[in-house]
Amino acid sequence: GENVGLHLPTLSVQEGDNSIINCAYSNSASDYFIWYKQESGKGPQFIIDIRSNMDKRQGQRVTVLLNKTVKHLSLQIAATQPGDSAVYFCAETRGSSNTGKLIFGQGTTLQVKP
Amino acid sequence: DAGVIQSPRHEVTEMGQEVTLRCKPISGHNSLFWYRQTMMRGLELLIYFNNNVPIDDSGMPEDRFSAKMPNASFSTLKIQPSEPRDSAVYFCASSPRDRVVYTFGSGTRLTVV
Repeated sequence: GENVGLHLPTLSVQEGDNSIINCAYSNSASDYFIWYKQESGKGPQFIIDIRSNMDKRQGQRVTVLLNKTVKHLSLQIAATQPGDSAVYFCAETRGSSNTGKLIFGQGTTLQVKP
Repeated sequence: DAGVIQSPRHEVTEMGQEVTLRCKPISGHNSLFWYRQTMMRGLELLIYFNNNVPIDDSGMPEDRFSAKMPNASFSTLKIQPSEPRDSAVYFCASSPRDRVVYTFGSGTRLTVV
């Protein structure tokens, strides 16, 4: 069945360090992945996406890596800041157009220590 | 753009009462999604609409839950009768035609006592 899960429920890092949040997925047919950030009291917010024909995609201070062989996705945050403290979700779907539904993982809490 | 607008932000109701949650998607988005978030189950997709038509309601937990989208700018999620286990944060999200990138509302925190 479809399952998107995260290895670590909580990640604590020092301000300025790099953070790596991991995600495993089980649906080999998934071809589009998104990372969302959810701050307390708010809805999830889009961070970055990647299609299955790519291994890596970079944004501003964030990088997403996709390893289709082991069905693993990671989000790297460079120079982590207090404002990065939030819950991070990976999500997957089949097809980059909205013909399907987005399935979310359980989420990882990122805590940034000053 | 005001984003996806949900109301109310908070709702406290007694068991057995009817609850109606409301959502206004982003103008021009043609897909709308209702999610429920709890600590135990995370984010669960309840139902989604394309062009105001329900496409997949397999996530709707019971017949007590129903959703409508009478037009492109409004949707409701109704629970009747409500139960304490329905307590959760309910999110509405919308996305444009050509991308599965959802924009979420701020959610409605529902407490059923």
